Amino acid sequence: GENVEQHPSTLSVQEGDSAVIKCTYSDSASNYFPWYKQELGKGPQLIIDIRSNVGEKKDQRIAVTLNKTAKHFSLHITETQPEDSAVYFCAAAGGGSYIPTFGRGTSLIVHP
Amino acid sequence: EAGVAQSPRYKIIEKRQSVAFWCNPISGHATLYWYQQILGQGPKLLIQFQNNGVVDDSQLPKDRFSAERLKGVDSTLKIQPAKLEDSAVYLCASSLADYSPLHFGNGTRLTVT
Repeated sequence: GENVEQHPSTLSVQEGDSAVIKCTYSDSASNYFPWYKQELGKGPQLIIDIRSNVGEKKDQRIAVTLNKTAKHFSLHITETQPEDSAVYFCAAAGGGSYIPTFGRGTSLIVHP
Repeated sequence: EAGVAQSPRYKIIEKRQSVAFWCNPISGHATLYWYQQILGQGPKLLIQFQNNGVVDDSQLPKDRFSAERLKGVDSTLKIQPAKLEDSAVYLCASSLADYSPLHFGNGTRLTVT
């Protein structure tokens, strides 16, 4: 089955800085890569997703890049704000299953 | 639209007791998932339903876990008997179609003592 590795496990930045979270996946047939944000006491919420026919996607301060050859994808958050503080999960789906497999999460802390 | 509803929010039980969780998905979403999220880890799929049929339960510990989705809407997940290692947040999610975003509820935090 699919295996998703996510780094770093914790990321601490100052407000206004950029944050980058990186993930790798094992199944070359995976073709759908969503990112979820989980705030304390809540369920994960989708913030952006990308499909394998696209190399990059942006939505305001958030962008995701995908390198299919290297089997890695990254989340970029620019001009971070304290409300960006949360746990972020990457996931991969495709091949034999459309059900996403999640990474272990990155705890992002944005200091005011 | 109303989100995915789960209850209870918290549950504390002793090992070997039984517990049940309830989920009401977003209206119109045919696919329903139960995930287990252990502290510090990502969600791990337990079971997936399409309408009221099971699509994937390969990761469900069937000796103690069971789930059902009657009438293709609400779902319940049961653990009997519970073990200490079952302490986790149990998340329910629903989606409109294959490769559609998953919409998660806020989960049930289970503590087994």
